[in-house]
Order: sequence, then C-alpha cells, then structure tokens
Amino acid sequence: EPEVTQTPSHQVTQMGQEVILRCVPISNHLYFYWYRQILGQKVEFLVSFYNNEISEKSEIFDDQFSVERPDGSNFTLKIRSTKLEDSAMYFCASSEGQATNEKLFFGSGTQLSVL
Amino acid sequence: GQSLEQPSEVTAVEGAIVQINCTYQTSGFYGLSWYQQHDGGAPTFLSYNALDGLEETGRFSSFLSRSDSYGYLLLQELQMKDSASYFCAVPISGGYQKVTFGTGTKLQVIP
Repeated sequence: EPEVTQTPSHQVTQMGQEVILRCVPISNHLYFYWYRQILGQKVEFLVSFYNNEISEKSEIFDDQFSVERPDGSNFTLKIRSTKLEDSAMYFCASSEGQATNEKLFFGSGTQLSVL
Repeated sequence: GQSLEQPSEVTAVEGAIVQINCTYQTSGFYGLSWYQQHDGGAPTFLSYNALDGLEETGRFSSFLSRSDSYGYLLLQELQMKDSASYFCAVPISGGYQKVTFGTGTKLQVIP
C-alpha cells in the first residue's frame, strides 16, 4: 500500500534555531496536512494545504511556521525560531480528496526535541 | 468551535467486547471518523460514518447518531494487539480542510 514518508524520524535542535521537517505525500493525493502531538496528548491540527496554498490553519500555526511544496513530491514544514514548547511529534498526512469524504493517511512522524 | 470528548482510558479482557464513546460539538458536521494509534506510531484510519447507524468492518464497528451528537467504536473479540489509543475525528469543509481529533481513549487489553 502506498504510504506517506517523513524525514528525519528524529530531530534535535537548539532553541531559536530553524528546522525543516520533510514529507513525501502519496503521489496521487491532492490535500496535505501537518499535525502535531505532544507526548500523551491528542493529535492537534496545524495546517492544511491544497492547490499550492494554505486552506486552513490553527491558532498554533503562527508566524513562526510556514509550509511549502517546493516541487511535485515534497511537502515541508518550517519552524523559523524553535521554542521549547515546539517539542512534539509532527505528523504529515495526505488525502486523495476533501477531508469530508476521504480518510487521512499519516506518515510515521518526526520527533522534534528542542533543547 | 469544536469539541470531541472521549473517556481517557478503558481496560478490557482479551476476547471480550469494548465500546469507546465519543460525544461531539461542532459546526458544519459531515461525519465521524475513527483512528487507531499504537504507542510511538502514526494514526491509522479505521472507519467513517456519514449517516446514522452502524458500520461494520470485521471485528470493528462504528455507530453514529447525528441527533444525539454521539458515536462509538465497538471492538469485538479483543486481541492483545488492539491495545492502543483510539481517536474520534470530525472533518469540516465549506472552503476549509481540517480534521479535528478527539481527546483519545487509551485501551488496554489484559489477558
């Protein structure tokens, strides 16, 4: 079965540094998402992306965050200046159609640790 | 705003049946999804109910009552590998693409 791939699986960074988390969605999917999960807590929506623009973002997704689809396959999440509270597991997801009708396929995540 | 409430933990015996409830409050409701997440793993889709009633997929069934803003996931013939967290989720649209997840229920299956 096709899958969403994320790299790296673990990322350790110093507070204030920039990080880029990378994702390769399933090839025929058109909708892309970033979620995060702090250990032991629920999966929180960050942003959705369709047709090369942000469709929806949460209050967590402030000016320090940005997303990009630099080519036909990659989808990235950039955190410009990391904070301690950004430490979490970040999941990329994709869906073939609109989220109302389609299931989301999640990648295995990037564990971000901000020191 | 939206909220989806679930019990935080459930313990059940191997071979038994367990029901995980979800009550939701949301605008623009389209349906209720369920996802499974093993410790350290990614959420994986289990089921989706757009209409009232029961949907069955093997050992798992999911139920929705739109009038009660309530749904549940039913797991039958529990196996040890079913120990995981289970999240209900609500997609909204209308120009937006966002799936909001519930608080999650950690299921422990014991021998």
